[in-house]
Amino acid sequence: AQKITQTQPGMFVQEKEAVTLDCTYDTSDPSYGLFWYKQPSSGEMIFLIYQGSYDQQNATEGRYSLNFQKARKSANLVISASQLGDSAMYFCAMIPITGGGNKLTFGTGTQLKVEL
Amino acid sequence: DVKVTQSSRYLVKRTGEKVFLECVQDMDHENMFWYRQDPGLGLRLIYFSYDVKMKEKGDIPEGYSVSREKKERFSLILESASTNQTSMYLCATRPPAPRNTEAFFGQGTRLTVV
Repeated sequence: AQKITQTQPGMFVQEKEAVTLDCTYDTSDPSYGLFWYKQPSSGEMIFLIYQGSYDQQNATEGRYSLNFQKARKSANLVISASQLGDSAMYFCAMIPITGGGNKLTFGTGTQLKVEL
Repeated sequence: DVKVTQSSRYLVKRTGEKVFLECVQDMDHENMFWYRQDPGLGLRLIYFSYDVKMKEKGDIPEGYSVSREKKERFSLILESASTNQTSMYLCATRPPAPRNTEAFFGQGTRLTVV
């Protein structure tokens, strides 16, 4: 079974500051992928970043980077230089790549509010 | 441009009704998923399908069934709707692993059961 845990229901950050959203996971699959999605108040799900469990380097996409620590089973999202438009719900998700089929599992989310 | 289309944005149904939520994708993806989203609970997987006529239970399948007769269409069925099934329902699609592409989502259906 696989499980994603996001322990921060809500976070506040000031504009232009960096913020880290936590995500830990549990899986018995040897190979897996980790995703982060953003859901603004409009409700659409926006893909942000992907990390494969065997990728040698941490993923980065513009202002988003993923702090992947495999031994600790954590995949935290770092947003640099926060903007007001970053205010949204953020979800961490995982999918097994080998053997475990294609089940895509999400966490409970973190509501981020960016303040002036 | 990839597209995942859910048949309704808002739906109001009565308790005991049979409810169909439809999802259509134009990306030729094998995998399709149905989630429900509730405040504080995140997205919970109801069912997913990895091929036509193939399905697997997710984490909360009770009270739901699914149908996938064609690759592009995945239907979620509430056999007898109950008030505790009031929720936002999201459909998603993705190519099979090991490809590392993301899942693509529909716009969601907000279902209210009265």
